[in-house]
Amino acid sequence: AQTVTQSQPEMSVQEAETVTLSCTYDTSENNYYLFWYKQPPSRQMILVIRQEAYKQQNATENRFSVNFQKAAKSFSLKISDSQLGDTAMYFCAFFGAGSYQLTFGKGTKLSVIP
Amino acid sequence: DGGITQSPKYLFRKEGQNVTLSCEQNLNHDAMYWYRQDPGQGLRLIYYSQIVNDFQKGDIAEGYSVSREKKESFPLTVTSAQKNPTAFYLCASIDRMYNEQFFGPGTRLTVL
Repeated sequence: AQTVTQSQPEMSVQEAETVTLSCTYDTSENNYYLFWYKQPPSRQMILVIRQEAYKQQNATENRFSVNFQKAAKSFSLKISDSQLGDTAMYFCAFFGAGSYQLTFGKGTKLSVIP
Repeated sequence: DGGITQSPKYLFRKEGQNVTLSCEQNLNHDAMYWYRQDPGQGLRLIYYSQIVNDFQKGDIAEGYSVSREKKESFPLTVTSAQKNPTAFYLCASIDRMYNEQFFGPGTRLTVL
């Protein structure tokens, strides 16, 4: 079974600053995908960024980027130039191509302070 | 517009009653999922279905049941056997090309 650990229950960052959210995972699968989802107060789950495990290059999406360390099983999310709209719960998630299931961490509540 | 719809948005249930949560998708996705979200717990998998007329239990299936008679629909029934059903329920489907899950807006179930 896969496990996903987010060690920071809450974080805060000043507007326009940079923040990094941590995520580690444990798996025996070789073919998998990693995701960061954002859940604002509306509770709609929104995909932020995805990473295929077979790709060495770290994924980027505008102000969002990841640091994927496959050997260390680490998948952190960096948010640059933080904006008030980034305030939300952030969930790290693992999808195993063999298990066909998405496993979530418990989330990090991020607050962006004006 | 393609997407996932869930209804109702809010649902109230008396103890001992069964209730059914609706989930419909028009994304032509084969696989669909049901998650439960409690404060501080993240999302936990209840049931999932990879094809019509087939489904598998997730981590917390006890007290829940599902059906998958149509590709577009994956309703979840919360039975009276579920001891603590008050939670936020999310339905999702998966795009197999990118293994990306798309989520519905959720249903908040409260037991009175």
